[in-house]
Amino acid sequence: GEDVEQSLFLSVREGDSSVINCTYTDSSSTYLYWYKQEPGAGLQLLTYIFSNMDMKQDQRLTVLLNKKDKHLSLRIADTQTGDSAIYFCAESEASGGSYIPTFGRGTSLIVHP
Amino acid sequence: DAGITQSPRHKVTETGTPVTLRCHQTENHRYMYWYRQDPGHGLRLIHYSYGVKDTDKGEVSDGYSVSRSKTEDFLLTLESATSSQTSVYFCAITPGVGFTEAFFGQGTRLTVV
Repeated sequence: GEDVEQSLFLSVREGDSSVINCTYTDSSSTYLYWYKQEPGAGLQLLTYIFSNMDMKQDQRLTVLLNKKDKHLSLRIADTQTGDSAIYFCAESEASGGSYIPTFGRGTSLIVHP
Repeated sequence: DAGITQSPRHKVTETGTPVTLRCHQTENHRYMYWYRQDPGHGLRLIHYSYGVKDTDKGEVSDGYSVSRSKTEDFLLTLESATSSQTSVYFCAITPGVGFTEAFFGQGTRLTVV
């Protein structure tokens, strides 16, 4: 089955860039997502990338996709303390037409002032 | 914020008792999902619904049942709660297939003692 791997923790200083990495195993992935979860809250979609794209930028967020290596990354520029949260990578493919994503375990981003 | 509400938000129950969690949406979205979130496991799909009275199993469906008698409500039932079902449960909704427009509820923290 599908597998999505992420490192569990990342610590950065405020103002620096953060890069959260994710690897996946399913070569037929169609969509790849990044979700953010703040303490005590549900998941919030940050951005997603279609599998035929290499890069997507949205304000401070840059998503890079390397399909050959099955590697996805999320770069947050000028990281702020408000960016402290758990970030989930997820991928989906058209299994039975459902496109239901498989989530990674999440990376806890800690931003130090 | 999308109109999705989970109830209760917190519950403590005893082993062997039945428990029902409710997900209510006001978005008229066709698809609804139940996930559980556990440390070290990320989010895992329990069951999902693709319409009224139409449901299917996810990867961790054992010990859980669901019902969807109307578009706005998706119920998750633990017929006989066990300590291994202590978790945070999230409901999600999507208008169609794929999670590019997914919204998550705030979560229900269930403790089985």
